[in-house]
Amino acid sequence: AQSVTQLGSHVSVSEGALVLLRCNYSSSVPPYLFWYVQYPNQGLQLLLKYTTGATLVKGINGFEAEFKKSETSFHLTKPSAHMSDAAEYFCAVTPYNTDKLIFGTGTRLQVFP
Amino acid sequence: DSGVTQTPKHLITATGQRVTLRCSPRSGDLSVYWYQQSLDQGLQFLIHYYNGEERAKGNILERFSAQQFPDLHSELNLSSLELGDSALYFCASSVTQVGGELFFGEGSRLTVL
Repeated sequence: AQSVTQLGSHVSVSEGALVLLRCNYSSSVPPYLFWYVQYPNQGLQLLLKYTTGATLVKGINGFEAEFKKSETSFHLTKPSAHMSDAAEYFCAVTPYNTDKLIFGTGTRLQVFP
Repeated sequence: DSGVTQTPKHLITATGQRVTLRCSPRSGDLSVYWYQQSLDQGLQFLIHYYNGEERAKGNILERFSAQQFPDLHSELNLSSLELGDSALYFCASSVTQVGGELFFGEGSRLTVL
C-alpha cells in the first residue's frame, strides 16, 4: 500500500539555521505530494503541494520542497529558521488514482534562540 | 479561520455510548475528509466524501459511520465507544475531488471515560 515516511519525529535547530525535514513516499507512479503544518491547538494548514510540473515547489513562510522521483523524496527546507516556525510538520500523499490523502507521522520542529 | 466549522469542540462521554460529530465545510467546497488524530496512531485518514458520495475509505472502524448531506455538511457517527476512541477528530474540506488544498477545522476532542 502507498505510504509516506517522515524520518525523524523531532528536529531541533537554532534560529537562523537551515531547516530540513525529510519525507519519502512509496510509489512507482508519482502521487500528489503535500506538506502541512500544525501549530499547537490548531488544525492543519497547507504549506505547499506538488501535483505536476516544476519539481521545486515554493510555499508559504519561506518554505520550499523538491520532488525527486529518482529518490522518491519530497523533503521540506527553509534557509533560515525563525522562532515562529516551531510546530509539527506533516508530509502527505494522494496515491495515484485514489481519492485518499494519507499523512505521515509528523516531525516536531523546535527552534532555539 | 479556515472557514470549516466543527461541533462540538469538546465532548466527554462514557464507554458504550454513541456520539455524532458535525462538520460544515467552507462555502463552495464539495469534498469533506475525516481524520482521527491520537498520540499513538498519528493522523489517520477515515473517510472522504465528494458531493454526497463516498469516494475513499481509510482505517475506519465498523462502529464508525459517516455521511454527507445534500447541503454538503457531514456527520461522523461513533458508536459503542471504547477508551481507545479518545482522540481529536478533524474534518477538512476542499473544492476539488482530489489534489486540492484541504482546509481543516479546529477539531472535535472526544474523551471516552
